[in-house]
Amino acid sequence: DAKTTQPTSMDCAEGRAANLPCNHSTISGNEYVYWYRQIHSQGPQYIIHGLKNNETNEMASLIITEDRKSSTLILPHATLRDTAVYYCIVSLYGQNFVFGPGTRLSVLP
Amino acid sequence: EAQVTQNPRYLITVTGKKLTVTCSQNMNHEYMSWYRQDPGLGLRQIYYSMNVEVTDKGDVPEGYKVSRKEKRNFPLILESPSPNQTSLYFCASQTAFQRGPSIDTQYFGPGTRLTVL
Repeated sequence: DAKTTQPTSMDCAEGRAANLPCNHSTISGNEYVYWYRQIHSQGPQYIIHGLKNNETNEMASLIITEDRKSSTLILPHATLRDTAVYYCIVSLYGQNFVFGPGTRLSVLP
Repeated sequence: EAQVTQNPRYLITVTGKKLTVTCSQNMNHEYMSWYRQDPGLGLRQIYYSMNVEVTDKGDVPEGYKVSRKEKRNFPLILESPSPNQTSLYFCASQTAFQRGPSIDTQYFGPGTRLTVL
């Protein structure tokens, strides 16, 4: 079973920040939090990952709570092309992913 | 360009006719994996390989075989396909045995849509 829980779906207005939450209350001390997204039926695309510190790259920011039991993926200025299913995954080495159903993000014009 | 390629991208076949879906990566990755994706069930891992000649079962290995004779290739073999193997298949690869923010990511192929009649 997936070790994370995410909302089934979310909407976001184009140009606004999209904040996608994820709960991973059973995460172990050396497991990382990974975020991927899947647009239509394409292959999942890596977004960002982190251990305990907040991370930022050209696509998104990842905020991990101090107790590491939850995290939030932030897309700072969502566009229509960000409409996708977003998966939050916890993994030791970034392998053998257990995917949950993810969050279906709809960016609305 | 770093990539994972799969062939064919689309395949319609009949029950019992052996088929192979190829997967190749050009990033010199040790780790490779196969997933299937079905509506309502999400992506599930079929098999994975940590290196040449090292393979192991994932969550749903029944009805599938794999081989890893070369580092770059990881074919998925269906010896006797059945309709319940109709699915969207993804291959993935990653550098193993190392850690670091730029190399911890798993790269996915474009997918192979298989229909077994």
